[in-house]
Amino acid sequence: DQQVKQNSPSLSVQEGRISILNCDYTNSMFDYFLWYKKYPAEGPTFLISISSIKDKNEDGRFTVFLNKSAKHLSLHIVPSQPGDSAVYFCAARIHQGGSEKLVFGKGTKLTVNP
Amino acid sequence: KAGVTQTPRYLIKTRGQQVTLSCSPISGHRSVSWYQQTPGQGLQFLFEYFSETQRNKGNFPGRFSGRQFSNSRSEMNVSTLELGDSALYLCASSLSRTVAYEQYFGPGTRLTVT
Repeated sequence: DQQVKQNSPSLSVQEGRISILNCDYTNSMFDYFLWYKKYPAEGPTFLISISSIKDKNEDGRFTVFLNKSAKHLSLHIVPSQPGDSAVYFCAARIHQGGSEKLVFGKGTKLTVNP
Repeated sequence: KAGVTQTPRYLIKTRGQQVTLSCSPISGHRSVSWYQQTPGQGLQFLFEYFSETQRNKGNFPGRFSGRQFSNSRSEMNVSTLELGDSALYLCASSLSRTVAYEQYFGPGTRLTVT
C-alpha cells in the first residue's frame, strides 16, 4: 500500500525553466511533508518542508505547495539549474506508536538540460 | 562536524548468509533510523532506535534486526539473506526523535545478494 506516490519516475526540463515535481498521498494523518534530494552515491539531503497547516513554503528557488483537500503537494524549482539534476523524494511524517515515522515516495529523477 | 558514516559502503553476499551493517551518527545525535532503498519501492522505513531502544518498526520480516549502542552507534543485521534483500541501506540520525528536517542521512551501504 503506497501511501505516498510520485507518479512520474522521471522529468526532463531545460535550464532556466520551471521544474514541477508532484506527490500524492492517501493518509490524512500525515502532518508534515518534506522533500529530499539525492545525488548518486550520496544519501538524501533535506531540501524543504511544509506543515499540514500551511499551503505554501518558499526557500529561494524552491517552493512547496500543499493542497490538503486534494492530498497533493508539489515542488517548484525556478529557475532550474543543471546542478538540480538528482532524484527527488517526497516524504510524509506520521506519528505512530509514540514516535514518528517518515513514509517516502519512490522518487522522481529530474534532469535539467543545459 | 562529521556527517553520518556507514560501513561498509559495498558488500556482496550469497543467499542464506547473514550480514551486519554499521552506522555512526553525527556526534550528539541519539536517534538513528534505518531505511531500505530499492528501485521498485523507493525508501522504506526499517526501524528507529533512540537511547538504545527500538522505538518504531516498519513492515519488514524478523530477519531484519538492529541494535543501538550506548555511544548511539547502530548496527543492522539481516539473517538468511534473500536475493530480494539486494538494496541500498541508508541510516539517518537526528538530535531528537523528531524525524522532520533534522534527519541527516549517511551515504548508504550497497548490499548485493547473489
